[in-house]
Amino acid sequence: GAGVSQTPSNKVTEKGKYVELRCDPISGHTALYWYRQSLGQGPEFLIYFQGTGAADDSGLPNDRFFAVRPEGSVSTLKIQRTERGDSAVYLCASTNGGGATEAFFGQGTRLTVV
Amino acid sequence: SQQGEEDPQALSIQEGENATMNCSYKTSINNLQWYRQNSGRGLVHLILIRSNEREKHSGRLRVTLDTSKKSSSLLITASRAADTASYFCATDAGTALIFGKGTTLSVSS
Repeated sequence: GAGVSQTPSNKVTEKGKYVELRCDPISGHTALYWYRQSLGQGPEFLIYFQGTGAADDSGLPNDRFFAVRPEGSVSTLKIQRTERGDSAVYLCASTNGGGATEAFFGQGTRLTVV
Repeated sequence: SQQGEEDPQALSIQEGENATMNCSYKTSINNLQWYRQNSGRGLVHLILIRSNEREKHSGRLRVTLDTSKKSSSLLITASRAADTASYFCATDAGTALIFGKGTTLSVSS
């Protein structure tokens, strides 16, 4: 695609439910990142994929959060037993994986847990 | 985790004035990047400066990097109302880009 696509753009879920957030990176980009951003804060790193594997998942806050990228393209961020504190904008970005390259961001998914 | 810290947190100026934002970071980096965000959604890349560079220009943007002080600055010259946005620095230490908390710039006409 022309850019990074994230779906849905908005998601409202009840506390305790399971949610999946999808990211379609730019075609051919090998690196993919997930970030979480709360109001008035900068993007907080969650996980980074190089190809199919998670190269760095040190930002995942706890074991309720999990992400996959089975074919090295589309990625899904999965959140189990959602809590109100999970409410935020979840941002996805991709790069071509080379050194010193810019990241292209999607428009994000605004998750609201009620 | 967040490594960069931008200063000031908020900046209000008049059109035509220059805006300067600063970023400090903690660990060694390969490069530092600046991003802009409108309305709290997607970020747009502005400029990248490598660790062996000291200054870089792109249009009305000027970025400096001082690795000895672990700091960078972003200067926007001749600001316009359309420059109103949040600006973030992001450090690349070889894995993920780590963002600061940002500077909110407001340019009034």
